[in-house]
Amino acid sequence: AQSVAQPEDQVNVAEGNPLTVKCTYSVSGNPYLFWYVQYPNRGLQFLLKYITGDNLVKGSYGFEAEFNKSQTSFHLKKPSALVSDSALYFCAVRDNTNAGKSTFGDGTTLTVKP
Amino acid sequence: SAVISQKPSRDICQRGTSLTIQCQVDSQVTMMFWYRQQPGQSLTLIATANQGSEATYESGFVIDKFPISRPNLTFSTLTVSNMSPEDSSIYLCSVEISGSYEQSFGPGTRLTVT
Repeated sequence: AQSVAQPEDQVNVAEGNPLTVKCTYSVSGNPYLFWYVQYPNRGLQFLLKYITGDNLVKGSYGFEAEFNKSQTSFHLKKPSALVSDSALYFCAVRDNTNAGKSTFGDGTTLTVKP
Repeated sequence: SAVISQKPSRDICQRGTSLTIQCQVDSQVTMMFWYRQQPGQSLTLIATANQGSEATYESGFVIDKFPISRPNLTFSTLTVSNMSPEDSSIYLCSVEISGSYEQSFGPGTRLTVT
């Protein structure tokens, strides 16, 4: 069975500082990994994904994530946080079969303070 | 990404009644999913809606309680039957973009059962 862990319920950073939101996963075979973001009172949006290729993937709004196979991690990063980045972030792993089911982490609330 | 609409956006229902939620996609998609999310919490997959066949339910969810229809590649409904207050939640429809593996989500239906 596949699983995702987001060890931090909450991450607080000051505007302009770098941010990291952590994610570790467990899956059989090659992982398909994703980050989604949910802004207050808005729907869930896709941010970025790792399917294959370069371990560092870039996504929307200046976010990037690094796939680390040995540590089974896929941490979300941004060099300089904005107040508008404040939101709920979900890491997800998709099974690599035709069933295509995804398992989501519990979510991390990112708060960026001015 | 796909554009997904859900109806109703919210509803307040009495215990013992049923509610049908509609999900409409602006393009034909193979994979369509129904999730449940408590506000600020993770997503739980209810079922995969299969076009032309019975939905595939996850552990803990049964067809009698959550019947799903998928008459074509752009539309699905989820019914929450014989509702109890424990069914109060946000119900999300999502689709997987063919070939990309990422999901697009509808805006959700906020259900309150009194």
